[in-house]
Amino acid sequence: DAKTTQPNSMESNEEEPVHLPCNHSTISGTDYIHWYRQLPSQGPEYVIHGLTSNVNNRMASLAIAEDRKSSTLILHRATLRDAAVYYCILRNTGNQFYFGTGTSLTVIP
Amino acid sequence: DAGVIQSPRHEVTEMGQEVTLRCKPISGHDYLFWYRQTMMRGLELLIYFNNNVPIDDSGMPEDRFSAKMPNASFSTLKIQPSEPRDSAVYFCASSLGHSKSSYEQYFGPGTRLTVT
Repeated sequence: DAKTTQPNSMESNEEEPVHLPCNHSTISGTDYIHWYRQLPSQGPEYVIHGLTSNVNNRMASLAIAEDRKSSTLILHRATLRDAAVYYCILRNTGNQFYFGTGTSLTVIP
Repeated sequence: DAGVIQSPRHEVTEMGQEVTLRCKPISGHDYLFWYRQTMMRGLELLIYFNNNVPIDDSGMPEDRFSAKMPNASFSTLKIQPSEPRDSAVYFCASSLGHSKSSYEQYFGPGTRLTVT
């Protein structure tokens, strides 16, 4: 299974943009890039996903490198409620996800 | 919809006892997943079902673990006999699995299992 690499932790000031990087150098042509986040004491929740093009939704934006070997999750204005562990996941043509260790985001008031 | 429902939310049991965790997926979802989360190993996929049929159980740690899905609205994860190293948070998730969906998985609140 293709693997992802993320920094263990990041900090951001409240109301500033946050760029969460993810490397996936062994990605295959059919792998989708998914991002989930896990708030304290909760189950993971979907954030965004994409294949080749950049994607935007109400929660975040996903920027995918042209060679697809890396991607960046962008939170446009971090709030205290965005403090969570963010997981970058590759989904193949099946339906199973393999979560890595994720990035723990701390938002500083 | 109430989302994915798991019970119990907390379970404390003694080593050697049987433990049964329960999950009700979101109505209409055809995929169901069981995960385990620990500090040491993170979030691990144990098994998943499609239309009530187990598709991949390669993540089930050993024969002490078993999972069933007798119908589209109910699944169980059983540990018999339980051991202290089984202490973890167990999550159930469900999703729609077709090309027009995002394959977004909806997670339940989890069951925190403590085996003493």
